[in-house]
Amino acid sequence: DQQVKQNSPSLSVQEGRISILNCDYTNSMFDYFLWYKKYPAEGPTFLISISSIKDKNEDGRFTVFLNKSAKHLSLHIVPSQPGDSAVYFCAASGNNFNKFYFGSGTKLNVKP
Amino acid sequence: DAGVTQSPTHLIKTRGQHVTLRCSPISGHKSVSWYQQVLGQGPQFIFQYYEKEERGRGNFPDRFSARQFPNYSSELNVNALLLGDSALYLCASSLQGWENTEAFFGQGTRLTVV
Repeated sequence: DQQVKQNSPSLSVQEGRISILNCDYTNSMFDYFLWYKKYPAEGPTFLISISSIKDKNEDGRFTVFLNKSAKHLSLHIVPSQPGDSAVYFCAASGNNFNKFYFGSGTKLNVKP
Repeated sequence: DAGVTQSPTHLIKTRGQHVTLRCSPISGHKSVSWYQQVLGQGPQFIFQYYEKEERGRGNFPDRFSARQFPNYSSELNVNALLLGDSALYLCASSLQGWENTEAFFGQGTRLTVV
């Protein structure tokens, strides 16, 4: 069962514009959410996380928004840079601490 | 400052064989988790170990086993390999295992079963 879903397999954005990556989850017990970035032939790199007690967390160009009622989170990248081109995974965890459920990923292409 | 290291980086095995994958966590991290990533999908949880004890197990057959050593490094073992075991195997380390914290991944071991 796919408890975390990323419905957009790919996204193309112009350099300097905003990239918005979306993620939906079904398990209401999830209370911790993360975004990872993955380049080919590398492991996922941690980007940003958010606890369910918050609805927004910001780190530089990256902001994660959490809408608990909609069971939806999004990652905003502003401004987008060509080096941001990668596959982005969202992940969620509940009371099975650090057992993460991952989405299938969204491939972001930032065009110069 | 060393991150999570995994060995080997690539491996080719024959159906029915056994494989051992190794992981060294970030210094000071006591929790290690293993994930399997097949092409086109996100990583799928296999095991979590904390302080040498299994804390969680995903929906994988008993052919998969793991252990954590006193220095917090870990091994993932897979017996009786099937073609479907071909995947990228990722190890992640976390500071502790009793609350949610970010996990840091190694570069993975690419296993090909022929």
